[in-house]
This record gives sequence, C-alpha cells and structure tokens, in this order.
Amino acid sequence: QVHLVQSGAEVKKPGSSLRVSCKASGGSFNTNAFSWVRQAPGQGLEWMGGIIPFYGTSNYAQKFLDTVAITADESMRTVYLELTSLRSEDTAVYYCARSDGSGGFHTHLDSWGQGTLVTVSS
Amino acid sequence: TVMTQSPATLSVSPGERATLSCRAGQSVSTNLAWYQQKTGQAPRLLIYDAATRASGVPARFSGSGSGTEFTLTISSLQSEDFAVYYCQQYNQWPTFGQGTMVEIK
Repeated sequence: QVHLVQSGAEVKKPGSSLRVSCKASGGSFNTNAFSWVRQAPGQGLEWMGGIIPFYGTSNYAQKFLDTVAITADESMRTVYLELTSLRSEDTAVYYCARSDGSGGFHTHLDSWGQGTLVTVSS
Repeated sequence: TVMTQSPATLSVSPGERATLSCRAGQSVSTNLAWYQQKTGQAPRLLIYDAATRASGVPARFSGSGSGTEFTLTISSLQSEDFAVYYCQQYNQWPTFGQGTMVEIK
C-alpha cells in the first residue's frame, strides 16, 4: 500500500480557485490510477475524476468536466486537484485515493488520503 | 451506473448479524467494492471484487453477489463496526452507492 498525505484545510471565496495536493510515499505511483472523491457535508461519496501519472491524461465525471483539473508531478510523487469558479456548493471534504494494481480506474481504491476540507464562503 | 443501497439505516445490537444490500442499475460483473467510513475519517476498503477481503479486514466481514445484486454481511457486530458503509462499482467509471448507516440498536 501507499501512504497518501493531502494538503491542509482551505477557506475560499466564491469565484476563486484552489489547488489541493496529494503526496504519495511508499508503494507504486506512476502506473496506478489516482482518483479524487468529493464528500459534501452529511452526504455520500462522489467520484470526480482521476489520472494515471505515467500517461498524464486525466478523466472526469461528466458534472466536473468544466470546473476541475487533475494533474500529476511524477518527480514529486504528487497528484493535484484544481477547483475553479468555486461556489458554496463546492464546500466539501475532498479525498484522493489510489487504485490497486495496473487496472486503471477499473479496480478498487485501496489507499486513501486523510481528506481536505474546503469551505467556500463569502 | 447508478448504485442503490438499502436500507439507508440499519439498527443492530452488538453481537447480531447485519446484512447490507447494494443493487447496480446494470450488470457490473464482480467489479464491486465495499468501504467502511467512520465519522471524521477517510473511507477504508473492506471488500473488493465482490467477495475478497482486503488486507487486515476481520473474517466477520464477507461479501457476495454478482451482476446487479450484492450483499455485505457482518456476522457478529462489534462496537467498532458501527459506521457508514458504501458500495462502489468499477466496471465502468466509478460510482458509489449513497451509503448505509449501521447504528446501535
């Protein structure tokens, strides 16, 4: 397994942008898929999208296509989630998670970061 | 693929058996995982490929099913098992069920 450590909590104003980081230590990195999962207050888990660092291309759930960008820095073993045009509805905990093995996104999430609380408020 | 879990809340006494259900809107074969989430914590993988326990998961947790119908069974609930449980399919782009909260009766 890999240990994932995310950046700290953020408070942002509506309309602003934000980048959340997820650093991996131990385990494999480049050929695994890394996903971002959103959890709004009191709600369930929602897959936003992800990236396989070796290929560098990102995939997104339809609802996040226009407001989210996921990137990776192989040298830093870090995956990033950029949120743009923030709204109050984006207030949530954001988790990064790694998919096991080389099955891309079509396998289970075996390691999770601790979560990053993003609060969007004027 | 829409994932539907039932019930939304399950009230169980310690030591009793708990059975959680997850239904997929279309077949996902056995490409299904179960996660446990305690308040204020990240989800934890319990079961993958519908029936394989993840490393370190106690034997009281078991998963079954294929296609569109899946079950997570906790044979004898311990105090540490009271939490929210999510199913997730990965046959297509990942989607999660809405969760089942297992609470103390």
